[in-house]
Amino acid sequence: ETGVTQSPTHLIKTRGQQVTLRCSSQSGHNTVSWYQQALGQGPQFIFQYYREEENGRGNFPPRFSGLQFPNYSSELNVNALELDDSALYLCASSLAGVDVYGYTFGSGTRLTVV
Amino acid sequence: DQQVKQNSPSLSVQEGRISILNCDYTNSMFDYFLWYKKYPAEGPTFLISISSIKDKNEDGRFTVFLNKSAKHLSLHIVPSQPGDSAVYFCAASLANAGGTSYGKLTFGQGTILTVHP
Repeated sequence: ETGVTQSPTHLIKTRGQQVTLRCSSQSGHNTVSWYQQALGQGPQFIFQYYREEENGRGNFPPRFSGLQFPNYSSELNVNALELDDSALYLCASSLAGVDVYGYTFGSGTRLTVV
Repeated sequence: DQQVKQNSPSLSVQEGRISILNCDYTNSMFDYFLWYKKYPAEGPTFLISISSIKDKNEDGRFTVFLNKSAKHLSLHIVPSQPGDSAVYFCAASLANAGGTSYGKLTFGQGTILTVHP
C-alpha cells in the first residue's frame, strides 16, 4: 500500500506566474484535500475533492483551483502568484465516510514565490 | 480570525516526565478534535482524536482531554520520550452524523515539543 505522493518537492516561481502542484492519492482513497501551511502557522484548508467534484472550500480566492482525476490523483493550480503564496502545500487523501484519522498526508510541496 | 489557537509556540520537557500541550478554540460549532504530530520534511500524522460527547480519550501514552465549557483541549504524553520531539498541531472540525469528522480541518499554529534525554 503506497502513501500519498506529492510532486515536485520544491519549486521556485516568479510573482505573476502560474503553478501546478500534483498529488497521487493513497491506493483505495477517493477523497483529496489540499492545505496551505505558511511559515510558523498551521495548515489552512484550501478545498476538498470527492468523485472529481469540489466538495467544500476554505477562504481562498478563485485563482486557487483544483482537479481530481478518475484515478483519484489531484492537481492544485494557482494563477497570478503572489509573494504571500509562498508556503508548504499539503495534500491529504482519505476514503469518504471513514473517520478523518484515515487521512494520509503527503510530505508537501514547498513553493517559493520571488 | 484564528478559530483554533495554540498559545505556546514551544515546550521543553525532560525524558520520562509529562508533556502537556494546550489548545483553545472559539467556534462553538466545532465538535470533533484531533491532534497531529509533524516531523521536519514529513506530512502531519494523526495521533489521537476526541468527539465532543466525551471529555477524555486515551491511546497508550497519549491522552486528550476536552473541556467544552472552556473551549479548551489538552494533550498529555506520559512518559515523554526523545522520539516525541516534533511539532504538535491541534485541529477541529464539525462532526458528521456518525460522530466522526467531515474532515476540512481547522488547525492551530502548532507547538514545538522538545524532549531532552
